[in-house]
Amino acid sequence: DAGVIQSPRHEVTEMGQEVTLRCKPISGHNSLFWYRQTMMRGLELLIYFNNNVPIDDSGMPEDRFSAKMPNASFSTLKIQPSEPRDSAVYFCASSPRLAGVNEQFFGPGTRLTVL
Amino acid sequence: EDQVTQSPEALRLQEGESSSLNCSYTVSGLRGLFWYRQDPGKGPEFLFTLYSAGEEKEKERLKATLTKKESFLHITAPKPEDSATYLCAVQAGFGNEKLTFGTGTRLTIIP
Repeated sequence: DAGVIQSPRHEVTEMGQEVTLRCKPISGHNSLFWYRQTMMRGLELLIYFNNNVPIDDSGMPEDRFSAKMPNASFSTLKIQPSEPRDSAVYFCASSPRLAGVNEQFFGPGTRLTVL
Repeated sequence: EDQVTQSPEALRLQEGESSSLNCSYTVSGLRGLFWYRQDPGKGPEFLFTLYSAGEEKEKERLKATLTKKESFLHITAPKPEDSATYLCAVQAGFGNEKLTFGTGTRLTIIP
């Protein structure tokens, strides 16, 4: 069974450009999470969806960031315009959201560098 | 606000030298405490979930324990392949799926 799939794995762009990160969750999982990891702040939740509906976007840093989940098998995180301080590794995770507490399964991440 | 503090930041051990990693937490209504392992250039890999004080779980050379204020990850007779960053996270509040992570402990096992 394939795990969480993210693309691209690496992205280098210039300040001001639009960046789109993509995620395919594990089949059958109905919760999806976007995280950002930096040396200074560690792993931070940006937004999460349940059944394709955004539930908590309080971690989205500002209006330049947006996320969508048009169906159960695909999500995007968009940054427009990008800035050098957005450089980080972005992870997508999914969870089955069964009754009780459920572990999250992470993808390999996208390393974003904004010059 | 939920807070998770991990110590030490980094730990170097000789192969076979047992030790423990600490995760202290402050949350309102703990529902679960998670341990993950992260290798360089990869996403976090799930290890354990602990739900209540007194609970223990084991996997190979790793054992996780939980009290009302902290969790320990005990590593017995580690091998070089146990080298990784170990992350602790908490989930709190009814119906909330959000995980709050600590900054991790970078473990290096020297052959």
